[in-house]
Amino acid sequence: AQRVTQPEKLLSVFKGAPVELKCNYSYSGSPELFWYVQYSRQRLQLLLRHISRESIKGFTADLNKGETSFHLKKPFAQEEDSAMYYCALRGSSASKIIFGSGTRLSIRP
Amino acid sequence: SAVISQKPSRDICQRGTSLTIQCQVDSQVTMMFWYRQQPGQSLTLIATANQGSEATYESGFVIDKFPISRPNLTFSTLTVSNMSPEDSSIYLCSVEVDKQGFGYTFGSGTRLTVV
Repeated sequence: AQRVTQPEKLLSVFKGAPVELKCNYSYSGSPELFWYVQYSRQRLQLLLRHISRESIKGFTADLNKGETSFHLKKPFAQEEDSAMYYCALRGSSASKIIFGSGTRLSIRP
Repeated sequence: SAVISQKPSRDICQRGTSLTIQCQVDSQVTMMFWYRQQPGQSLTLIATANQGSEATYESGFVIDKFPISRPNLTFSTLTVSNMSPEDSSIYLCSVEVDKQGFGYTFGSGTRLTVV
């Protein structure tokens, strides 16, 4: 069965500190992994996808198949990073995606 | 990427009534997805809507409660039937942008309150 686990409901760090939002998944095949972000009063939007191996707004995420993880990282947090972050997975043979429970990131000034 | 218009943006409804939510996309898409986000919770997939066939429902969701229409490749509706306060949620539609793993685009959501 597919499952996405985000162990932290809330993560609070100081501005300028490093950030790591954890995501672990369970899937027997080769999944596609995504990070979505929802800023206050805005719609859910795509932040990163693992196949592109890109950095968006200073965030990166590496798919670790051995540890079945897709943690989101940023070396220096900014106040505008405060938002809800959702890790999501799509199975190789499906079109639907499932979401983790989300982590609320709060950046303290 | 596709642009989704979803309406209504919010509504307050009496229990026992039904509400139909509309989702319009500015381009043709094969699949449309309907999600529910209960207060303080993550997104839960309700069903996948394909044009020309019946929607595919996830475990825990049934057609009688959440009938879905998909008359063409740019439009879909979700009806929340015989509502109770437990149906108070944000309902979102989503489409797949492309099959190269670009991801999915979401509507702005419909905030439903059942009183």
